[in-house]
Amino acid sequence: NAGVTQTPKFQVLKTGQSMTLQCAQDMNHEYMSWYRQDPGMGLRLIHYSVGAGITDQGEVPNGYNVSRSTTEDFPLRLLSAAPSQTSVYFCASSSPGQLPYEQYFGPGTRLTVT
Amino acid sequence: SQQGEEDPQALSIQEGENATMNCSYKTSINNLQWYRQNSGRGLVHLILIRSNEREKHSGRLRVTLDTSKKSSSLLITASRAADTASYFCATTGGSNYKLTFGKGTLLTVNP
Repeated sequence: NAGVTQTPKFQVLKTGQSMTLQCAQDMNHEYMSWYRQDPGMGLRLIHYSVGAGITDQGEVPNGYNVSRSTTEDFPLRLLSAAPSQTSVYFCASSSPGQLPYEQYFGPGTRLTVT
Repeated sequence: SQQGEEDPQALSIQEGENATMNCSYKTSINNLQWYRQNSGRGLVHLILIRSNEREKHSGRLRVTLDTSKKSSSLLITASRAADTASYFCATTGGSNYKLTFGKGTLLTVNP
């Protein structure tokens, strides 16, 4: 199993541009989530999904959209990038049917908005 | 808002020593987890302790939970240089899926 994969690893955007961060998992996990990590702030939940077709907002959802059309994929869209969205983004997945509540994290995408 | 707050923010020790990190949280929880993050990498789950448990062990890790004080501690015994990483506590409350992370403790183990 590849686990949780994220692409791209690095990205530089100009203010106002849009892009999609990709996340995929091959563990058949129902739950997937997106976090951002900023220096000194720990990880903050952006959006999450408890299954295909179901998404909900986390702590810092503004400026981001998500959709979950398949169990495997959970893309994060930046609609109009702003410098405040410069961060490292992590995708995670878990399944209560396996190790309850343990989340598996991807390697992260480092995004810089200029 | 951050649920957990780790203490200290940074800890530097010698190889072979024990490392203790603390986590305090604000609201009632279902469980508390500890994660490790090596520099530039994703987080890796270390151990989970449920709200009705007081202590848990896994290899060189020992976690305690005091729900009356809303605090937890992570002890790493006989530390190694490879233990150098940031350590985060994370709690789940109303939803078992949603993790709320603290800001982390940066542990440096000097050889």
